[in-house]
Amino acid sequence: QVQLQQSGPGLVKPSQTLSLTCVISGDSVSRNTAAWNWLRQSPSRGLEWLGRTYYRSEWLHDYAPSVAGRIFIDADTSKNQFSLQLASVTPGDTAVYYCAGEFFLDSWGQGTLVIVSS
Amino acid sequence: DIVMTQSPDTLAVSLGERASINCKSSQNILYSSNNRNSLAWYQQKPGQPPKLLIIWTSIRETGVPDRFSGSGSGTDFTLTISNLQAEDVAVYYCQQSYTVPLTFGGGTRVEIK
Repeated sequence: QVQLQQSGPGLVKPSQTLSLTCVISGDSVSRNTAAWNWLRQSPSRGLEWLGRTYYRSEWLHDYAPSVAGRIFIDADTSKNQFSLQLASVTPGDTAVYYCAGEFFLDSWGQGTLVIVSS
Repeated sequence: DIVMTQSPDTLAVSLGERASINCKSSQNILYSSNNRNSLAWYQQKPGQPPKLLIIWTSIRETGVPDRFSGSGSGTDFTLTISNLQAEDVAVYYCQQSYTVPLTFGGGTRVEIK
């Protein structure tokens, strides 16, 4: 059974970069049929998919247009984890952030409430 | 982006009765490689991440009770909870995995009448 464990700060100042990590157990981040996603949830935006990374002979990425230009997702095979960086955050980026696995999102991290405030 | 529209926003159903949740996609989400609609349903309880219930419109995930069923075609889909139990109180979301960005419906809250 795949388990995802998230970590990262719960408070980020405006204009700074939000950084979260998701450690995978029970699967491999580089499995060539997997996809590793980041999402967020807030009362104003609902459930919002942010992007994903996946390995298909090379590392590929898809990002949501709503955050394109500010987002970077990468994988660390030595630690079997993947990470989210979201730059230039504003209070509008305050949300619970989740990592999730696969094409259909069948495994989820526990969620991290990230508050953007000075 | 594909817009997923759910209805109703809230549904109050008596224990043991049937709950039906509707989801409409703004465009076709038929995956040509397997001729299935790329539609999933999730259940979310307070303080928890969403839990995947159904994939490909109608295939239950392992361990999901058979009182949960999915149906639909074209751009219209339905999640049905037969014989509603107290533990089914939650918010339910539909989601398309046909193309990026992956998108979700706004959610339907199921309550006990």
